[in-house]
Amino acid sequence: GQNIDQPTEMTATEGAIVQINCTYQTSGFNGLFWYQQHAGEAPTFLSYNVLYGLEVKGRFSSFLSRSKGYSYLLLKELQMKDSASYLCAALDSNYQLIWGAGTKLIIKP
Amino acid sequence: GAVVSQHPSWVICKSGTSVKIECRSLDFQATTMFWYRQFPKQSLMLMATSNEGSKATYEQGVEKDKFLINHASLTLSTLTVTSAHPEDSSFYICSARVGEADTQYFGPGTRLTVL
Repeated sequence: GQNIDQPTEMTATEGAIVQINCTYQTSGFNGLFWYQQHAGEAPTFLSYNVLYGLEVKGRFSSFLSRSKGYSYLLLKELQMKDSASYLCAALDSNYQLIWGAGTKLIIKP
Repeated sequence: GAVVSQHPSWVICKSGTSVKIECRSLDFQATTMFWYRQFPKQSLMLMATSNEGSKATYEQGVEKDKFLINHASLTLSTLTVTSAHPEDSSFYICSARVGEADTQYFGPGTRLTVL
């Protein structure tokens, strides 16, 4: 079956760095997405990786290793507004997004 | 770019009535639109996938006669919750994408409360 695993919850300190890991098992693979979802709001797109390596967008970076079925989202210089759920989703061979349950990130002052 | 709107943003209705939610892609043409539902503190659940001009594909367990989806144009899809009941109260979110491998962009969601 198809499966996405990511931690349920993580806690970090304002100004610090946090890495949210995601492993996936899908029927075929056409890329991996990360979304941010604040409580009570819809998800917003953060990043897309399809090739091996690191994509950097400001304070956020996303890494993908296709051979290991593994991705991470790295958040630097954490701010209180980064408190949200982070959703990992893999695009399978039928171009369907398989969603993880999300990682709730709690930022403490 | 890549803006998706939803209307209404929230709605309260009586049990037994029908509610229509609109999803529009404002600055791109969406070949495919998706409808999700999310209960409090739970994960996103895909309800259905709709391609412009064809019938929607519903996920297992989602009643197609209860959740009517119409994707009449490349910029508009509607979800109608028919004969709504309190258990249908949820956060309904649409998303849209241009092509198969493209990013899904989400609308802001519609919060439905059925009394």
